[in-house]
Amino acid sequence: SSELTQPPSMSVSPGQTARITCSGDALPKQHVYWYQQKAGQAPVLVIYKDSKRPSGIPERFSGSSSGTTVTLTISGVQAEDEADYYCQSSDINNIGVFGGGTKLTVL
Amino acid sequence: EVQLVQSGAEVKKSGESLKISCKGSGYNFIRYWIGWVRQKPGKGLEWMGIIYPGDSDTRYSPSFEGQVTISAETSITTAYLQLNSLKASDTAMYYCARQAYGDYAADYWGQGTLVTVSS
Repeated sequence: SSELTQPPSMSVSPGQTARITCSGDALPKQHVYWYQQKAGQAPVLVIYKDSKRPSGIPERFSGSSSGTTVTLTISGVQAEDEADYYCQSSDINNIGVFGGGTKLTVL
Repeated sequence: EVQLVQSGAEVKKSGESLKISCKGSGYNFIRYWIGWVRQKPGKGLEWMGIIYPGDSDTRYSPSFEGQVTISAETSITTAYLQLNSLKASDTAMYYCARQAYGDYAADYWGQGTLVTVSS
């Protein structure tokens, strides 16, 4: 899998919308998965196959894709959404790669 | 309930070897890929490799090929990550994660195993 690029950090105020991007040349051909990792905890899957939400994940989490960029959108950000977010994709040989992660701060 | 339970924290010296375990329960172990992820202190997630317990098909990230060994023992529904010739730079949290059926998503994660390597 090729590299995935994320912004290292971003900050939003409660109630605002956070948009975290993930870019990679292979993304038009590969699905992207998003994970939330809170301090001291294991990651949790929040979006799969670019835009699908697992059961139990709040509706304010959504995903979209356009060409070589995919976006995780958190609408109406809450304090509990403060975490690191990672995108991940895998190639046809099931070799995966993670983006560098984005630290989301809720002001 | 699907669970992945990893072995406990380890403290090792440089040059030693280590085998971390990840026991799966609550699902058909042989039919789901299990992957391993490294996270160094204060750093991001790194995808290491993955195994299909049903036939032991194993794939490694180029960054970890030849550096680690992934295996599985289906009789006890356990996957392993072996680290050889440990260095201080191997100090990290190691996670196992189940790959969703027919997909590449890691839908369930172990709690992590902290490995500390001292010189």
